[in-house]
Amino acid sequence: DVKVTQSSRYLVKRTGEKVFLECVQDMDHENMFWYRQDPGLGLRLIYFSYDVKMKEKGDIPEGYSVSREKKERFSLILESASTNQTSMYLCASSFIWDYKGREQFFGPGTRLTVL
Amino acid sequence: GDSVTQMEGPVTLSEEAFLTINCTYTATGYPSLFWYVQYPGEGLQLLLKATKADDKGSNKGFEATYRKETTSFHLEKGSVQVSDSAVYFCAQQTEGGNKLTFGTGTQLKVEL
Repeated sequence: DVKVTQSSRYLVKRTGEKVFLECVQDMDHENMFWYRQDPGLGLRLIYFSYDVKMKEKGDIPEGYSVSREKKERFSLILESASTNQTSMYLCASSFIWDYKGREQFFGPGTRLTVL
Repeated sequence: GDSVTQMEGPVTLSEEAFLTINCTYTATGYPSLFWYVQYPGEGLQLLLKATKADDKGSNKGFEATYRKETTSFHLEKGSVQVSDSAVYFCAQQTEGGNKLTFGTGTQLKVEL
């Protein structure tokens, strides 16, 4: 079974803190993704990575950065957390899209609250 | 740009009722289409998919047909169960693309 794990299920931080969200996958997937999920807005892509040390901005990268030093691990960093970053954060991974219909596998999510 | 529109929720049904959740997309070419499901407290998991026009994806009693002429991929189930209560997301992957575009999600609640 493919497993995508996230470091925390719930996290509470204060405004201005630096926040690290970690994601690990065990299926040797090339692609890894970070989304945020908000009611009424669905899932929005923050960043994705298609290889170690490679990254591309998604639809809402402002206020976030990422790091991928090892193939199995993809970190999302909030340099200075703000209250509008309170959200559910979902990590996902997949093989490269060398054919149509490749599935993304999701972690359980981290619910981040910024006070 | 590419987008996915799905019906607003929440949808509340009685057990054994028929379910339809509408989904339409805008994209150039022939995208792949997906339905993902999110059960309470969990991440998303793939429910079904279709990669070309007139394909039908099916799983766990759910079905969806890729309709190119109406740019739609509506999710249906003939008889829902309480255990189907979840949030359902329609998504597309454009041809040659490496990202998914998701709809806003539709919450389904099934009552006894």
